[in-house]
Amino acid sequence: DVKVTQSSRYLVKRTGEKVFLECVQDMDHENMFWYRQDPGLGLRLIYFSYDVKMKEKGDIPEGYSVSREKKERFSLILESASTNQTSMYLCASSPRNWSEYEQYFGPGTRLTVT
Amino acid sequence: DAKTTQPNSMESNEEEPVHLPCNHSTISGTDYIHWYRQLPSQGPEYVIHGLTSNVNNRMASLAIAEDRKSSTLILHRATLRDAAVYYCILRMDSSYKLIFGSGTRLLVRP
Repeated sequence: DVKVTQSSRYLVKRTGEKVFLECVQDMDHENMFWYRQDPGLGLRLIYFSYDVKMKEKGDIPEGYSVSREKKERFSLILESASTNQTSMYLCASSPRNWSEYEQYFGPGTRLTVT
Repeated sequence: DAKTTQPNSMESNEEEPVHLPCNHSTISGTDYIHWYRQLPSQGPEYVIHGLTSNVNNRMASLAIAEDRKSSTLILHRATLRDAAVYYCILRMDSSYKLIFGSGTRLLVRP
């Protein structure tokens, strides 16, 4: 079974702190994604990576950066956390083959910024 | 991005079939129809996808209208574990993007 793990299920940080959210997948997938999920807004794509050291902005990249130094690991960085970044953060991965395409999601990290 | 319309919520009895509808009248010829579900306190989980023909897998069946402007996810025998939010999503061929809408919350009564 594909497994996508996220470093924390719950995280509480203070405004202005630098926050790292880590995601690891064990299926050798090329693509990895970071979403945030908010009530009434659904899941929104923050960043996407299609290979090591490669990244593309999603729909809401402002206030976030990412790092992909190894194929299995994709990190989301909040340079200076703000209260409007309180949310559920979901990581996903998928193989590169577009025609048989499904994304595998991790369990999520609920981040609270106070 | 093409949009989908789903009912906000549906209810079903345990062990009965469930038909979850989705309208996507602006679908284009290269859009795949994907279904995901999200159980409480978990990340979304892939259910099924199709392009033109009906599809079956171990979790569900996907019935696609001939004009492709609507589709139906069929759970053949609902269980309590199927209570979740079900998302119908259109994905363009060659696109990595999945655009999640608000989904249908399925309640399963024992």
